[in-house]
Amino acid sequence: EIVMTQSPATLSVSPGERATLSCRASQTVTSNLAWYQLKPGQAPRLLIYGASTRATGIPARFSGSGSGTEFTLTISSLQSEDIGLYFCQQYDQRPPWTFGQGTKVEIK
Amino acid sequence: QVQLQESGPGLVKSSETLSLTCTVSGASINSSYWSWIRQPPGKGLEWIGYISYSGSTSYNPSLRSRLSISIDTSKNQFSLKLNSVTAADAAVYYCATDRNYLDYWGQGTLVTVSS
Repeated sequence: EIVMTQSPATLSVSPGERATLSCRASQTVTSNLAWYQLKPGQAPRLLIYGASTRATGIPARFSGSGSGTEFTLTISSLQSEDIGLYFCQQYDQRPPWTFGQGTKVEIK
Repeated sequence: QVQLQESGPGLVKSSETLSLTCTVSGASINSSYWSWIRQPPGKGLEWIGYISYSGSTSYNPSLRSRLSISIDTSKNQFSLKLNSVTAADAAVYYCATDRNYLDYWGQGTLVTVSS
């Protein structure tokens, strides 16, 4: 199976600053990469698919980039409502779809 | 707006069967593929498996021997059964629409395994 590795485990960012999250695949997934946001008690939210396409209703401050094995999620200006867990997922090969271990974004 | 809601017992005894149902509203279950995902406490997400509108399935190899996913199109529901549970199966279980990426999710249901 494809192993997804995220870094850092925790990211502390001041409000209004840029947050950069990384995701690496153990083998190429071309652009078949999605990002999700998880908050306690809420349904997880799809942010990005196809490595760089924002899902419906996602603010423009969220952007995704990369292809092959290296991917980045950028929050251009962190808002308080952006705190939570972020996961990447490859959907190039299954079974199984695989996720990274997550990055916790917190306010500095 | 597509909405999904997980339901089922929050407590399962070790060695018994975990059974959950996902009810879909705002869309026909005939319109997509449907996945189960889980998140053990303090850990990452694990894809469990999916079922299509026609009933074809794909399972995570790590769970395949204990897992069954079924669909009831008349009720707009799909279900998960996981046999012989252990403490390692304790998690928040989510259902989601599966277009390879997972675009709509339920809020999740916490399942605890007791000994």
